[in-house]
Amino acid sequence: NAGVTQTPKFRVLKTGQSMTLLCAQDMNHEYMYWYRQDPGMGLRLIHYSVGEGTTAKGEVPDGYNVSRLKKQNFLLGLESAAPSQTSVYFCASSTRDIAKNIQYFGAGTRLSVL
Amino acid sequence: QQQVKQSPQSLIVQKGGISIINCAYENTAFDYFPWYQQFPGKGPALLIAIRPDVSEKKEGRFTISFNKSAKQFSLHIMDSQPGDSATYFCAASMANFGNEKLTFGTGTRLTIIP
Repeated sequence: NAGVTQTPKFRVLKTGQSMTLLCAQDMNHEYMYWYRQDPGMGLRLIHYSVGEGTTAKGEVPDGYNVSRLKKQNFLLGLESAAPSQTSVYFCASSTRDIAKNIQYFGAGTRLSVL
Repeated sequence: QQQVKQSPQSLIVQKGGISIINCAYENTAFDYFPWYQQFPGKGPALLIAIRPDVSEKKEGRFTISFNKSAKQFSLHIMDSQPGDSATYFCAASMANFGNEKLTFGTGTRLTIIP
């Protein structure tokens, strides 16, 4: 029972480089989310998806793109990394059932942009 | 615009004492208020949650107190233990409106000392 798996766990980029963070969930959840966590700022929603093939912007979407081609996967892309994108990124998933409104988080990806 | 304000930023409590973390919200459409617990190097995990039709919810040593008129809710940890040392996030969402997105507070780092 893996839950939510994020790859990679750590990454160092140079300014201007691109990368993709992968999130995979095995709970058949409809909703998936990408957050970034910065000291003193809590968790801020970047993008989210309510189903396969659909994505929407969250609170801080600039500089990021996402895709949800398969229900179990949610990809977060940085086309041209900037030092301001140094952060810990978390993926989460949840079911559509509002009676079970629980978001399950992955272990995070620590990204440094130099 | 921070819709959920959390305090204190950090808290040190002696073992066996009561830890209290407070949150205040602005949006009266919020109808679901969870608390998430995060250990170092891990993703957040749901600890306890409350809906506004009750003023208190207790699960073991953890209690949420909810004051709808004041738009405030708090987490109480009774008989605090070293294993409770973690970062705690309050959050809010409009679950009954079909909006699963969580708005998080900025977090409280709790340290329980022997």
